[in-house]
Amino acid sequence: NAGVTQTPKFRVLKTGQSMTLLCAQDMNHEYMYWYRQDPGMGLRLIHYSVGEGTTAKGEVPDGYNVSRLKKQNFLLGLESAAPSQTSVYFCASSELAGGDNEQFFGPGTRLTVL
Amino acid sequence: GDSVTQMEGPVTLSEEAFLTINCTYTATGYPSLFWYVQYPGEGLQLLLKATKADDKGSNKGFEATYRKETTSFHLEKGSVQVSDSAVYFCALKAGKSTFGDGTTLTVKP
Repeated sequence: NAGVTQTPKFRVLKTGQSMTLLCAQDMNHEYMYWYRQDPGMGLRLIHYSVGEGTTAKGEVPDGYNVSRLKKQNFLLGLESAAPSQTSVYFCASSELAGGDNEQFFGPGTRLTVL
Repeated sequence: GDSVTQMEGPVTLSEEAFLTINCTYTATGYPSLFWYVQYPGEGLQLLLKATKADDKGSNKGFEATYRKETTSFHLEKGSVQVSDSAVYFCALKAGKSTFGDGTTLTVKP
């Protein structure tokens, strides 16, 4: 049982390049989330999904797209990377959206945009 | 909207010292409250939670009590260890999750 995994762990991009971050979970969770973590700003929700084939915008969705074609995978895309997207990206999943359901986090992807 | 305010860090303590990290929140309705811990180079993991007023969450010697009257969920530990050095996040969940900014704790031998 690997939990939540993320690939890649590190990536350096040049401004304008594109990339996709992959998140996978093996807990059969319905909900999946993408966050970014910046110093002094905690975690900010980018996009989330309430089930296979669904996605929704979070707090800071601009410049990102997502897809949830399979229940276990949640992809985060950057179409044209900008230096402001330099951050650590975390994927998380939860069984349901209910109030007492904890989120399980992946180890993170550290992205640098030059 | 919902918000979480955490005690600003960083916090540096000596081993066996008493720890308190303050957390207050604003939310509509009756959120569940969580403390997550993030060790260096890792993702967040749940430390403890409380789902209703006056509940006490506890784990690994850490405790926090859901105080509705003061809208607080302060994290405490009686005797910290070097291995407790990490970043601690307070969070609430009422539908979506809202996280505090995190408090970095360093425990020195």
